[in-house]
Amino acid sequence: AQSVTQLDSHVSVSEGTPVLLRCNYSSSYSPSLFWYVQHPNKGLQLLLKYTSAATLVKGINGFEAEFKKSETSFHLTKPSAHMSDAAEYFCVVSGSGGSYIPTFGRGTSLIVHP
Amino acid sequence: KAGVTQTPRYLIKTRGQQVTLSCSPISGHRSVSWYQQTPGQGLQFLFEYFSETQRNKGNFPGRFSGRQFSNSRSEMNVSTLELGDSALYLCASSLGPSGLAGNQEQFFGPGTRLTVL
Repeated sequence: AQSVTQLDSHVSVSEGTPVLLRCNYSSSYSPSLFWYVQHPNKGLQLLLKYTSAATLVKGINGFEAEFKKSETSFHLTKPSAHMSDAAEYFCVVSGSGGSYIPTFGRGTSLIVHP
Repeated sequence: KAGVTQTPRYLIKTRGQQVTLSCSPISGHRSVSWYQQTPGQGLQFLFEYFSETQRNKGNFPGRFSGRQFSNSRSEMNVSTLELGDSALYLCASSLGPSGLAGNQEQFFGPGTRLTVL
């Protein structure tokens, strides 16, 4: 079975400061891992995905995530937050143990203060 | 290239009615997945269609069904609506089968907001 836990329901940062959104997963086999962002009244947009080619994954808009198998984590980071980064972020695990049903985290709401 | 489109964007129904939602994938994409998003349960996978065949199904009752046409457009149907079916229904398309499980990028539509009264 697979599961994903986003450790913070809300994260609040000031513009220009670093962003850290935490995600832990549980999986029997090497999974596929994704981060998606959802702006208000919009669909989800892919930020990045883990392909097993490299543990440090770079995505769009300056985001990156590091796959740490020993810690079963896939945390999302950005060096400097922009106001436009305020949105809901979802960590997703899929493909574990032959499961083709993706499992979404509950989401982390990123709040950016000016 | 046009993105994923969903119609209608907003829908209000009453308990017991049925509803059909439509999704047009990105041109060339043959896989369509449907998701339900609610404040209580978050984002949950409903089902995935590829080449007109349902490949995967989430843990939802039989009242939720779908189909895919030869042009890859997809519809989902919910019969005998319940208050708890109020949600944002998202459609996502990808080139090949299995969507996220196949390590493919899924492109999401803006969703259909269904309210059941």
